[in-house]
Amino acid sequence: AQTVTQSQPEMSVQEAETVTLSCTYDTSESDYYLFWYKQPPSRQMILVIRQEAYKQQNATENRFSVNFQKAAKSFSLKISDSQLGDAAMYFCAYRSGWTGGGNKLTFGTGTQLKVEL
Amino acid sequence: DTAVSQTPKYLVTQMGNDKSIKCEQNLGHDTMYWYKQDSKKFLKIMFSYNNKELIINETVPNRFSPKSPDKAHLNLHINSLELGDSAVYFCASSYRGGRDYEQYFGPGTRLTVT
Repeated sequence: AQTVTQSQPEMSVQEAETVTLSCTYDTSESDYYLFWYKQPPSRQMILVIRQEAYKQQNATENRFSVNFQKAAKSFSLKISDSQLGDAAMYFCAYRSGWTGGGNKLTFGTGTQLKVEL
Repeated sequence: DTAVSQTPKYLVTQMGNDKSIKCEQNLGHDTMYWYKQDSKKFLKIMFSYNNKELIINETVPNRFSPKSPDKAHLNLHINSLELGDSAVYFCASSYRGGRDYEQYFGPGTRLTVT
């Protein structure tokens, strides 16, 4: 079974600074997808960024980028120019590329990000 | 135009009662899911339906019974509620195959059992 580990329960960053959230995963599969979801206090789950394992290029979405190290099974999220609105719980998630598994997302335990003035 | 909607958003009930949570998606997806988020914010899959067929049942107690009348709706019925059922329940939907695989989540239903 796949597992996702987020070793940082909490992180803090100053406004306008850069922060990196860590995520590692364990799988024997070669085809899979990785995601970062944001959950603000409103509790809505918002997709921040996604990465297909077959793509070597790291995904970027505006101020958000990932460092995908497939051999090391590492998938970190970098937030540049942090804003107050970035304060939220961030979840790393894994999805198998095998649709027979039902497409379930396996989540890490989350990292609570605080943004300070 | 809410993509994935859930009702109710909040549910407070007593132990032993039976309750239902409804979910609807208007994205044309063929697969729907129920996730449970516990008090420590940990999210875990409970069920997944593809075109009204159950494809994932992650060792959830029999008191939980999902029902999918059509591929746009997935309801969750819970019998004999227990204190440990208190959590936030999220519905989500996606396509099963292809590369358009993003799961869209509903706003969640916070269930409190007293």
